[in-house]
Amino acid sequence: GENVEQHPSTLSVQEGDSAVIKCTYSDSASNYFPWYKQELGKGPQLIIDIRSNVGEKKDQRIAVTLNKTAKHFSLHITETQPEDSAVYFCAASHPRGGYQKVTFGIGTKLQVIP
Amino acid sequence: EADIYQTPRYLVIGTGKKITLECSQTMGHDKMYWYQQDPGMELHLIHYSYGVNSTEKGDLSSESTVSRIRTEHFPLTLESARPSHTSQYLCASSEWGKGGRSGANVLTFGAGSRLTVL
Repeated sequence: GENVEQHPSTLSVQEGDSAVIKCTYSDSASNYFPWYKQELGKGPQLIIDIRSNVGEKKDQRIAVTLNKTAKHFSLHITETQPEDSAVYFCAASHPRGGYQKVTFGIGTKLQVIP
Repeated sequence: EADIYQTPRYLVIGTGKKITLECSQTMGHDKMYWYQQDPGMELHLIHYSYGVNSTEKGDLSSESTVSRIRTEHFPLTLESARPSHTSQYLCASSEWGKGGRSGANVLTFGAGSRLTVL
């Protein structure tokens, strides 16, 4: 089955600096890669996603990159703000028995220090 | 605004009690899921449903059971709670392949139910 590895597990950055979270996946059939943000006391929320036929996608201060050959994808947050502090999950979605299975990474706890 | 609702948000009960965690969504999604979230962070799929009268076991073995009698409702039940069941339970739903993301399984999560068994 699919295996998604995510690192680092914790990340502290100064406000205004950039943060990068990296993930690798194992199943070459994976074709959709969402990123979720989980704030304290809430469920994860989709913040950005990328399809396997795209190498990069940007939405304001966040961007995702995908390297299909290496099976790597990354989340980049620029000009970090205290409200970016949360747990971030990468995921890989792949077809399995007529259904798109989603496999999550272990999560990265991001702390933005004011 | 939440379109998927979980109750209770917090529950503390004694060993051996029966509990039901409720999950309802107003989006008309066919697919619904239950994830168990470790005290650390990891998300483990324990149950999912393709639609009414469909339920499947997830990747992580769980003593809980689920039912899907109505599209919008996907409750999770523990017949006899134990301290090992202490965890955060997250419900999610999706409408695979729609919303401009053909082939993508976009999950919408509820806020979670935090269960503590003493």
